[in-house]
Amino acid sequence: AQKVTQAQTEISVVEKEDVTLDCVYETRDTTYYLFWYKQPPSGELVFLIRRNSFDEQNEISGRYSWNFQKSTSSFNFTITASQVVDSAVYFCALSQGSSASKIIFGSGTRLSIRP
Amino acid sequence: KAGVTQTPRYLIKTRGQQVTLSCSPISGHRSVSWYQQTPGQGLQFLFEYFSETQRNKGNFPGRFSGRQFSNSRSEMNVSTLELGDSALYLCASSLVGATGYNEQFFGPGTRLTVL
Repeated sequence: AQKVTQAQTEISVVEKEDVTLDCVYETRDTTYYLFWYKQPPSGELVFLIRRNSFDEQNEISGRYSWNFQKSTSSFNFTITASQVVDSAVYFCALSQGSSASKIIFGSGTRLSIRP
Repeated sequence: KAGVTQTPRYLIKTRGQQVTLSCSPISGHRSVSWYQQTPGQGLQFLFEYFSETQRNKGNFPGRFSGRQFSNSRSEMNVSTLELGDSALYLCASSLVGATGYNEQFFGPGTRLTVL
C-alpha cells in the first residue's frame, strides 16, 4: 500500500529561522513521483517540486531545498530564512507509476512564521 | 493560458439534496482528477477521467460520481448529501502525453457546506 506520513502537524518559527518539514513515504512501486505542494489560506494547491524515484539529487530553488533519500524513504523540505509569506499548509505527496493521475497526500504540516 | 477553473466556488446545501460541481481543465489537458479535502480525512483522491472515461477511482461510496465531456470539462455529482460531505473539492487537470510524467495543475476548489 502507498502511504505518506508527515509527522509534524504544526510548526511555528520566528521569521528568518530555517525550518525543515519532514516527509516519509511507503510504496512498493519502483517508479514513482514525490511532490511538495503549498496550500495558502485561499485554498488553492500550489505545486512546489516533483522528483522521480530514479533521481536522488537534492534540489535548491531560492530559499527552498529538498532532500530525497530512498534509503530512508524520506523527502524532506527545508525553507531557509523563512518569511511570513511562507505561512501555509504544506503537503508531501506520492504518485504511482509514470502517468501519476492518482496522488496520495500526506496529512499536511501547518507552518506559521511569526514576525 | 488560463488555469483550471471550478464553479461554483462556494455552495450551501442541506442533507438529502444532491449537488453538481464543475471543472474546466487547462486548454489541451485531457485528464481531470477530483479530490476531497476535509479536516478529518485530509486530501483524498475521488476519481480521474480521461477521454470521457473513468480511469481511476478512489475509495468513495457510489453517491459520488462524475463524468467528462468531449471538451474535457468534467462534473462531479454527489447525491443524498450527508453532513460529512462538507469539504473543499479540488479538481486537477493534466496533459496526457505519450511518455514522461504528466503534472497535475489544481483549481481553486469548490467549498461545499452541507447543513
